[in-house]
Amino acid sequence: DVKVTQSSRYLVKRTGEKVFLECVQDMDHENMFWYRQDPGLGLRLIYFSYDVKMKEKGDIPEGYSVSREKKERFSLILESASTNQTSMYLCASSLLLAGQETQYFGPGTRLLVL
Amino acid sequence: AQKITQTQPGMFVQEKEAVTLDCTYDTSDPSYGLFWYKQPSSGEMIFLIYQGSYDQQNATEGRYSLNFQKARKSANLVISASQLGDSAMYFCAMREGSSNQFYFGTGTSLTVIP
Repeated sequence: DVKVTQSSRYLVKRTGEKVFLECVQDMDHENMFWYRQDPGLGLRLIYFSYDVKMKEKGDIPEGYSVSREKKERFSLILESASTNQTSMYLCASSLLLAGQETQYFGPGTRLLVL
Repeated sequence: AQKITQTQPGMFVQEKEAVTLDCTYDTSDPSYGLFWYKQPSSGEMIFLIYQGSYDQQNATEGRYSLNFQKARKSANLVISASQLGDSAMYFCAMREGSSNQFYFGTGTSLTVIP
């Protein structure tokens, strides 16, 4: 079974703090993704990575950065957390297999910025 | 324009009945994949079913089937014999063949009534 884990299920931080969200997958997937999920807006892509040290901006990269030093680990960084970054953050990984690429998600991190 | 549109914010269904969740998509890429995910209140996104743009037959996975109407650009999810455990948010998603990016709809909240 594919396993995607995220470092925290719940996180409370203060405005201005630097926040690290970690994601690890154990299936040697090449592609990894960070989304945020807000009510009524669905999932919005922040960044994705298709290889080690490679990254591409998604739809809403402002205020975020990412790091992928190893294939299995993809980190999301909030350089200076703000209250509008309070959200649910979902990490996913995927592999193209037989013409189909399916994303597998971690359990999510609910971040509250005070 | 929205890539994925889910027009039903909330749906109710009686236990043991069938229910259809609507999804329309927008793409000019001839190669694409369509996905449905379930998100229970715990937050984890669970992959349900996949349909490729070149697949001749509608996809089925147990009680889930995808009603794929290519000309209408619709990919509705049909859940047969609803169970209480089917109560969750359901997301439709698309990946275009020319892109690594997945696009998600805003979701439909399904409630199964005993």
